[in-house]
Amino acid sequence: AQSVTQPDIHITVSEGASLELRCNYSYGATPYLFWYVQSPGQGLQLLLKYFSGDTLVQGIKGFEAEFKRSQSSFNLRKPSVHWSDAAEYFCAVGAGTGFQKLVFGTGTRLLVSP
Amino acid sequence: GAVVSQHPSRVICKSGTSVKIECRSLDFQATTMFWYRQFPKQSLMLMATSNEGSKATYEQGVEKDKFLINHASLTLSTLTVTSAHPEDSSFYICSAFAPGQGGPGANVLTFGAGSRLTVL
Repeated sequence: AQSVTQPDIHITVSEGASLELRCNYSYGATPYLFWYVQSPGQGLQLLLKYFSGDTLVQGIKGFEAEFKRSQSSFNLRKPSVHWSDAAEYFCAVGAGTGFQKLVFGTGTRLLVSP
Repeated sequence: GAVVSQHPSRVICKSGTSVKIECRSLDFQATTMFWYRQFPKQSLMLMATSNEGSKATYEQGVEKDKFLINHASLTLSTLTVTSAHPEDSSFYICSAFAPGQGGPGANVLTFGAGSRLTVL
């Protein structure tokens, strides 16, 4: 069965510093991988997705992620964090025959210090 | 862009009553909608998948008689928590999907903002 592990429950980053959020997945075939951000009172917003092709994926808000098959990882990065990036971040893998049915990781809460 | 609206955003009810949560795709027609449950500090757990005009498919361990899902139109799905008890208190989130290559909601999952249910 598919699974997603986000080993960091909380991460605190200074504003302007770089960010990397870790995600490891378990899936037998080529995975569909996603990163979502959840802010209080708002729905999950898709940051980026990987289906195939270039393993470095660019997303919205300056985020990027790199798919590494050998490490079963899909880490999210941002070179310079803004205070508005403070939120909960979820990594997800598409399960089943398509990518609509998602299995989510437990999330990483990002705190941004001034 | 695609918008999914959930209503109500918060609801408090007494134990034993039923509560209905609506999920609407505002600017696209959703052939498939998904319902999730999120516990504090935990991930989203898929409860069921509903396709317009057919019965919902429930995930293992989800009581279909407790959580009634109806997807009567391409823009509306409802989740009814029947005879709610305090252990049903949770954050319920829906997402909607539309196949295709263009237009809002096409080929991506769009999530609602969630509904927080508190059962006293």
